[in-house]
Amino acid sequence: DVKVTQSSRYLVKRTGEKVFLECVQDMDHENMFWYRQDPGLGLRLIYFSYDVKMKEKGDIPEGYSVSREKKERFSLILESASTNQTSMYLCASGAVFTYEQYFGPGTRLTVT
Amino acid sequence: GESVGLHLPTLSVQEGDNSIINCAYSNSASDYFIWYKQESGKGPQFIIDIRSNMDKRQGQRVTVLLNKTVKHLSLQIAATQPGDSAVYFCAYGTPGGGADGLTFGKGTHLIIQP
Repeated sequence: DVKVTQSSRYLVKRTGEKVFLECVQDMDHENMFWYRQDPGLGLRLIYFSYDVKMKEKGDIPEGYSVSREKKERFSLILESASTNQTSMYLCASGAVFTYEQYFGPGTRLTVT
Repeated sequence: GESVGLHLPTLSVQEGDNSIINCAYSNSASDYFIWYKQESGKGPQFIIDIRSNMDKRQGQRVTVLLNKTVKHLSLQIAATQPGDSAVYFCAYGTPGGGADGLTFGKGTHLIIQP
């Protein structure tokens, strides 16, 4: 079975802190994704990566950056957390040339 | 159907009944469709998928129906159980969409009444 893990299930940070969210997948997938999920807005793509050291902006990249130094690991960075970044963050991975994405359990981030 | 605004559509069914959850998509070029189940506090879980060269696909207690003419997708869950309570949302892929080629619906909240 595909396994996508995220470093934290729940996280509470203060405004202005730098926040790292880590995601690891064990299926040797080329593609990895970061989404945020908010009530009534569904999943919104923040960034994705189709290869090591490659990244592409999604629909809402502002306030975020990403890092992919190894194929299995994709990190989301909030340089200076703000309260409007309180959300559920979901990581996903998928094989190249396929649409199917496998999700991690999510990290519920609260910024106070 | 898919939600607009802050509130998810809700479907309430009796335990043991069949459920039908609907999804509309907009791009006639979409050629791949997935249903996900998301339980409270968890990440989305793949349920079943279908390609555009098919009209119907069956899994264990679930069936996906695709009507390309009206761009409509449905998920049927047979003999619903308490564990089926979750938010269900569709996703569809369109060629040329790149690595981020999946478009996600906003979801329907399925509630199972005892």
